[in-house]
Amino acid sequence: GAVVSQHPSWVICKSGTSVKIECRSLDFQATTMFWYRQFPKQSLMLMATSNEGSKATYEQGVEKDKFLINHASLTLSTLTVTSAHPEDSSFYICSAEPSTGTNYNEQFFGPGTRLTVL
Amino acid sequence: QKEVEQDPGPLSVPEGAIVSLNCTYSNSAFQYFMWYRQYSRKGPELLMYTYSSGNKEDGRFTAQVDKSSKYISLFIRDSQPSDSATYLCAMSLAGGYNKLIFGAGTRLAVHP
Repeated sequence: GAVVSQHPSWVICKSGTSVKIECRSLDFQATTMFWYRQFPKQSLMLMATSNEGSKATYEQGVEKDKFLINHASLTLSTLTVTSAHPEDSSFYICSAEPSTGTNYNEQFFGPGTRLTVL
Repeated sequence: QKEVEQDPGPLSVPEGAIVSLNCTYSNSAFQYFMWYRQYSRKGPELLMYTYSSGNKEDGRFTAQVDKSSKYISLFIRDSQPSDSATYLCAMSLAGGYNKLIFGAGTRLAVHP
């Protein structure tokens, strides 16, 4: 149980195009989902917190107009990287927090999406 | 100063060794402490979590939290090559939703 999927697992795009990454909780509902960015050999940096039915909360320094987040249902959140540039190339990981069950904010992580912008 | 400090390693040990991984933190309000394992190009998976101070054991893994010293540890007994991965500590505040603060991660290599 508690499986989170991401699609696509990797994507290569041209500079200036937009890329959408999907994050799905497969066997549980998640009111809250999180988007992280990870550079090689570095830790996870939280980009934004996504709550179903409301606007995402972005961390300081993250451009909300560049990284559009939509949490349209209790099992799906999407991250769209708009007008992508080579510096946006990174490993993007989502996580989902079950709506019920745990007393602490346990998060289940997706397998990640590797984005390469040419 | 980072909120959570973790030596990135790499740490290389022979198979069967006891591995000790550690993190220190500065925010005394942290109440939940987690250890995640991340294989290359994969998402992190939760290994252990501990609430407040104390020890917790699960198979070959033992997590320890010393809140007085703001220091947490993960011990791996009888390490195996399959344990080779990056280990991330994470912590959060108590009460409702609170974001996870991650350490840098320690890369561990267990060689046969």
